[in-house]
Amino acid sequence: KNQVEQSPQSLIILEGKNCTLQCNYTVSPFSNLRWYKQDTGRGPVSLTIMTFSENTKSNGRYTATLDADTKQSSLHITASQLSDSASYICVSFNYQLIWGAGTKLIIKP
Amino acid sequence: DAGVIQSPRHEVTEMGQEVTLRCKPISGHNSLFWYRQTMMRGLELLIYFNNNVPIDDSGMPEDRFSAKMPNASFSTLKIQPSEPRDSAVYFCASSLARREQFFGPGTRLTVL
Repeated sequence: KNQVEQSPQSLIILEGKNCTLQCNYTVSPFSNLRWYKQDTGRGPVSLTIMTFSENTKSNGRYTATLDADTKQSSLHITASQLSDSASYICVSFNYQLIWGAGTKLIIKP
Repeated sequence: DAGVIQSPRHEVTEMGQEVTLRCKPISGHNSLFWYRQTMMRGLELLIYFNNNVPIDDSGMPEDRFSAKMPNASFSTLKIQPSEPRDSAVYFCASSLARREQFFGPGTRLTVL
């Protein structure tokens, strides 16, 4: 069964600290993996899209990694800011998008 | 471009009433998606269109839900009759082929 699982479910860190969010997928065949950020009350916004041949991709303070062999991805946030408080959703794509449940990240001052 | 436009932003209605949600995709995009998001179930794909044609409607919960895309710049999602369990945020998204999806601001639906 095609699934995307994320961990942790929620995370609270202090402003300025780094954090890493995890994503495991069992989607097959695999085309690409996407990370979205969803602020409260708004629609998801794409952060990165990686194909199976890409190991890492950065977007500012956000860096996503992909291990297609182990079917794992991570999203690393460097020097967190209060505006990083949001839900982060991992999405795998073959012929359809499979959405994870998301990790709710809270940045405290 | 103004991005994906959805209306209304908020809708409160009574059980049994018909509800129509509207979406204008980004100009030039040829794929349009309707999603529903709740705390319990997260983000669920209801239906998606490619070049105005419904491709996959397996996510539509039941016959009370219907979606149309009469042209490349407009789509509707209709619920008739509405029920309290339909309360959710409904998102419309568009993309060019299978590339990055751009989401609208959503419609928060409350069915009393």
